[in-house]
Amino acid sequence: EAGVTQFPSHSVIEKGQTVTLRCDPISGHDNLYWYRRVMGKEIKFLLHFVKESKQDESGMPNNRFLAERTGGTYSTLKVQPAELEDSGVYFCASSSTGGRYEQYFGPGTRLTVT
Amino acid sequence: AQKVTQAQTEISVVEKEDVTLDCVYETRDTTYYLFWYKQPPSGELVFLIRRNSFDEQNEISGRYSWNFQKSTSSFNFTITASQVVDSAVYFCALRAYTGGFKTIFGAGTRLFVKA
Repeated sequence: EAGVTQFPSHSVIEKGQTVTLRCDPISGHDNLYWYRRVMGKEIKFLLHFVKESKQDESGMPNNRFLAERTGGTYSTLKVQPAELEDSGVYFCASSSTGGRYEQYFGPGTRLTVT
Repeated sequence: AQKVTQAQTEISVVEKEDVTLDCVYETRDTTYYLFWYKQPPSGELVFLIRRNSFDEQNEISGRYSWNFQKSTSSFNFTITASQVVDSAVYFCALRAYTGGFKTIFGAGTRLFVKA
């Protein structure tokens, strides 16, 4: 069984540009979470999808961030326009409905905004 | 409220020393899971252990051991005979029903193991 995959693994963009991160959860997992670790700080929750619906987006920092999960499969996280403080590692995790205590993390996308 | 506290920001040891990373958690849920993850310089999160709230047995896996004590809400992690490859940031984390199962991470402890 394939694990959670994220693309790209690393992205370097200039301030003001747009970047889209993608997460493919484990097949059949309805729950998808986005987290990030910026500036060497703690890993923080961004949002939670249940299928295609946003269950909790309380961690989204501002309206420059847009997450989607069309069709309830993969998810994208767009940052537009990117700022220097957005640099960090963005993690995606997924879990099944019956096993919500188990979250499987992807390898992360390292975003560098210059 | 749910919270995970890792009071140690950075720890530096010499190779072969033992080191304990502290973790204190807060939750009102009676059922919850605790985790430790390792984040090496490459950036990915490496799962180390999961412990549920009903299982207070300590666990040992090679050079790693974990001490879970509900009475003090602590879930400490000990590395025995540390090695340079253990250098990383270690995160303690909590997951519970309250809060929608999102993972609450501690701030992380950066461990430096010097040769």
